[in-house]
Amino acid sequence: AQSVAQPEDQVNVAEGNPLTVKCTYSVSGNPYLFWYVQYPNRGLQFLLKYITGDNLVKGSYGFEAEFNKSQTSFHLKKPSALVSDSALYFCAVRDQTGANNLFFGTGTRLTVIP
Amino acid sequence: DAGITQSPRHKVTETGTPVTLRCHQTENHRYMYWYRQDPGHGLRLIHYSYGVKDTDKGEVSDGYSVSRSKTEDFLLTLESATSSQTSVYFCATSSGQTREVETQYFGPGTRLLVL
Repeated sequence: AQSVAQPEDQVNVAEGNPLTVKCTYSVSGNPYLFWYVQYPNRGLQFLLKYITGDNLVKGSYGFEAEFNKSQTSFHLKKPSALVSDSALYFCAVRDQTGANNLFFGTGTRLTVIP
Repeated sequence: DAGITQSPRHKVTETGTPVTLRCHQTENHRYMYWYRQDPGHGLRLIHYSYGVKDTDKGEVSDGYSVSRSKTEDFLLTLESATSSQTSVYFCATSSGQTREVETQYFGPGTRLLVL
């Protein structure tokens, strides 16, 4: 079975400061990991994914994520937070059975304080 | 992003009534998915389709059925709605035409309230 966990329901960060949104995963094979963002009353927007290769994945809107196999983590990061980054962030892992289905974490609400 | 629309965007219904939600995509994607989003649970897969007339159950399929008669449309039906099905429903699609680990693209969601 596969799963992801987002240990923080809420993260607050001051505008201009670096931000980190945490995600840990549990899989039996190769992990294929995703980050999505959801703005109020909108659908989910894809930010980035890790398949293989470089442990630092760069994505949309200046976000990046660091894959760490030994810590089974895939934390989302941004060097300088914007107020407009305030949203709900979801980590997800692809189904290990071969289907393209995703298993999502419970989400982390990021608030960037001006 | 894939052109994905969902209808209706909001619906209020009564317990015991049938409800059908529609997902329409213009990207000719082979795979389509229905998720529900609930506080504390994130998104959970209800059903998915890997082609016309080819569907399978997801994690929380009880009380739901789906149909896909055309590539562009994926219907989700609640045969007899219950209050526990009050949720926000999202449709997603992915290409299904590559051997790569594909990205899913999401529609805007349907907010369903069952009274």
